[in-house]
Amino acid sequence: KNQVEQSPQSLIILEGKNCTLQCNYTVSPFSNLRWYKQDTGRGPVSLTIMTFSENTKSNRRYTATLDADTKQSSLHITASQLSDSASYICVVSLDSNYQLIWGAGTKLIIKP
Amino acid sequence: EAGVAQSPRYKIIEKRQSVAFWCNPISGHATLYWYQQILGQGPKLLIQFQNNGVVDDSQLPKDRFSAERLKGVDSTLKIQPAKLEDSAVYLCASSEGTEETQYFGPGTRLLVL
Repeated sequence: KNQVEQSPQSLIILEGKNCTLQCNYTVSPFSNLRWYKQDTGRGPVSLTIMTFSENTKSNRRYTATLDADTKQSSLHITASQLSDSASYICVVSLDSNYQLIWGAGTKLIIKP
Repeated sequence: EAGVAQSPRYKIIEKRQSVAFWCNPISGHATLYWYQQILGQGPKLLIQFQNNGVVDDSQLPKDRFSAERLKGVDSTLKIQPAKLEDSAVYLCASSEGTEETQYFGPGTRLLVL
């Protein structure tokens, strides 16, 4: 069954600290993996899209990694800011029909 | 560039009533999506349009939900009759193509009492 599992479910860290969010998937055939940020009361916003051949991709203070062999991805946030408080959702695209398999998200809270 | 517009932003109805949501995608985007997001969960795709044709509606509860995209631009999603479990945020997204980045609207928060 095509699934995307994210951990932890929620995370609280102090402003300025780093954190890493995890995503494991069992989606096959794989096309690409996306990370979205969803602020409370808003729609998701795309952070990165990674294809099979990409291991690392950065977007400002966000760095996503992908290990296609172990079917794992991580999103590392450096020097966290209060505005990073949001849900981060991992999404995997099927190669056969481009269907998106969504994870449940990790709720991140940054405390001052 | 204007983003994806949705209305209304909030809606409260009683069970068995009807409700309709409207979405205006980003200009030129051929693909339009409707998602249902229950609190604490990721979005669940209800229906996907390519221009004015349906690409995927496998998870749309067709006995009560319907959607249309006339002229391949705006879209409406209707629920008739609503159930308590339909309480959720309904997100509309659009993209240039099926494999491109999806841009989401702010969503419509529905509460069914």
